[in-house]
Amino acid sequence: DGGITQSPKYLFRKEGQNVTLSCEQNLNHDAMYWYRQDPGQGLRLIYYSQIVNDFQKGDIAEGYSVSREKKESFPLTVTSAQKNPTAFYLCASSPGTRSGEQYFGPGTRLTVT
Amino acid sequence: SQKIEQNSEALNIQEGKTATLTCNYTNYSPAYLQWYRQDPGRGPVFLLLIRENEKEKRKERLKVTFDTTLKQSLFHITASQPADSATYLCALDLDRYFNKFYFGSGTKLNVKP
Repeated sequence: DGGITQSPKYLFRKEGQNVTLSCEQNLNHDAMYWYRQDPGQGLRLIYYSQIVNDFQKGDIAEGYSVSREKKESFPLTVTSAQKNPTAFYLCASSPGTRSGEQYFGPGTRLTVT
Repeated sequence: SQKIEQNSEALNIQEGKTATLTCNYTNYSPAYLQWYRQDPGRGPVFLLLIRENEKEKRKERLKVTFDTTLKQSLFHITASQPADSATYLCALDLDRYFNKFYFGSGTKLNVKP
């Protein structure tokens, strides 16, 4: 099956700990994205990557970090510097420039206490 | 800064009727606009894309209009079914070179049998 996988579905962490969310795609897409969604709000862009070994900050990058060492993988680390990390995190991919459609993974719900 | 607005109140309609959802935006002229469907606890699924030079786009029971003068898109579902109940998100491109999007907060549609 082609698609985007995110793991785990639910993640619990103690405050002060870094945590890494996994995102893998086998669609051979060049571009990948991380969004955060809070209740009653739209998706907010955290980071995006157009090609391997390159990525750019989105609107709310503070407290997050990413890497893009492989085309298929775009992991997101939520650091202890993120002041309000509890949220639903969505990874997406698209074929590349100006292609339009984004394909989303199932999401990871992170709870930090 | 750019702003995209969708009705935050849920839309309740009877099965068989046409649902119409609204997306308004300000301070930007997107090259195209997209509509996504999101079910609870899941990632959004792409539905339709409409470009700035297109006034209307159809796909099966779905129809999207795009009025760049009014800065508004309307999303219609004809002959609505209970299975259409979900949250519908609109998204507009922020970058005319790359697929970078700004999402609205979505409108929840409830179709009652």
